[in-house]
This record gives sequence, C-alpha cells and structure tokens, in this order.
Amino acid sequence: GQSLEQPSEVTAVEGAIVQINCTYQTSGFYGLSWYQQHDGGAPTFLSYNALDGLEETGRFSSFLSRSDSYGYLLLQELQMKDSASYFCAVRYNAGNNRKLIWGLGTSLAVNP
Amino acid sequence: DVKVTQSSRYLVKRTGEKVFLECVQDMDHENMFWYRQDPGLGLRLIYFSYDVKMKEKGDIPEGYSVSREKKERFSLILESASTNQTSMYLCASSRQGMNYGYTFGSGTRLTVV
Repeated sequence: GQSLEQPSEVTAVEGAIVQINCTYQTSGFYGLSWYQQHDGGAPTFLSYNALDGLEETGRFSSFLSRSDSYGYLLLQELQMKDSASYFCAVRYNAGNNRKLIWGLGTSLAVNP
Repeated sequence: DVKVTQSSRYLVKRTGEKVFLECVQDMDHENMFWYRQDPGLGLRLIYFSYDVKMKEKGDIPEGYSVSREKKERFSLILESASTNQTSMYLCASSRQGMNYGYTFGSGTRLTVV
C-alpha cells in the first residue's frame, strides 16, 4: 500500500532552523509536495519536488531523495508566523489516474 | 487575487437533511477536489473531477455525491446527513499537470446534529 510518515510535532525558537522530514512508501512515485496550514485556515501550497535535490524559495527549502524515498522541508530564520501545520503529499501513478496521498501533518510551534 | 470560494464557513444541519456544499474557483482550473479533514485522520479525498460533467470517486465517497455542470463550480452533496459527517470540508482546484499545487478554499465546518 501507499504510506507517508512525518513527525506529529516539532518545536523551535525564533530565528532558528527547523527540518521537517517525510518518508514515503509508494509505487509509481511522481513527486513530493509541501503545504502549510494555519489553525482555522486553508492549506497553502509551498513547494513541489519531482527530481532529487534541494529547491529553495526564500526562507523555505524542500529536498527530495527518490532513492531513499525521503524528503524534507527546511525552514530558516523562523518567525512566530511560521507556527502552523505542515503536510507532505506524494503524487503517484495509480492505474489510469495520478493520485495524491497526504501525510497527517507536523505541527510546528515557534517559541520566542 | 486568485481564489477558491466555498459558500459557507459554518453550517449546522439536522440528521437526514440533504446538504449542498458549493465551491467556485476563478482560475480556470481543470481539476477540482473535495476533501474532508478530521483530527488525527488528515485530509481524505471524497470526490474529484478532471473536467466538466466528469467525476471520480476518491477514498471515502460513501454517503456523498458531486456535481460539476460548469468548469468553475464543483458541488458536494450529502444525500442524507449523518452525525459521522460532521467535519471540516475543503474544496481545492489545480491545473492539469504534475507540478501544479492545489489551491484550497477556506473550508466549511459542517456540524450534523
């Protein structure tokens, strides 16, 4: 079957760097996405990795290793507003469809 | 600002009622999705649509149906609401293609009493 694992909670302090890991088991893997969701808000798209390596977008970077079935989201210069849940999602090929499977989310608490 | 709009932020319905949740996107996206989000269970796909009048079942379609008569609008219907359908419902849309992210609506918090 298809599965994703990510930590349920991470805590860090303002100005620090935090890494949120995501490991997956899927067949027909296409790519790994990351989303941010603040309490009571809608998930917002952060990044998509289809190839191995690091993609940087401002303070956020996302990494993928297809051979290790592993990726991570790296948040630098943490700010209080980064406190949110972060979801990884894997796109994979399922017969005639391309589907998305979601992790359960990592709750990030940024403390002063 | 491009967006996905869900008709209601909060909704309270009685058991057995037929419930309509509406979703409209203004980005000319081909794909539209309905998810429900529950604590500890994450995001679960109910139905999705890749084109007008086209629909496919997701992982938990039981008790739900959908309608997509126009490209911009995707409706979720609870034929006979039950208390276990109390949840946050999220609509999303995306372009065709593998590297396009989903744009989500703000969600509808449905309570069935």
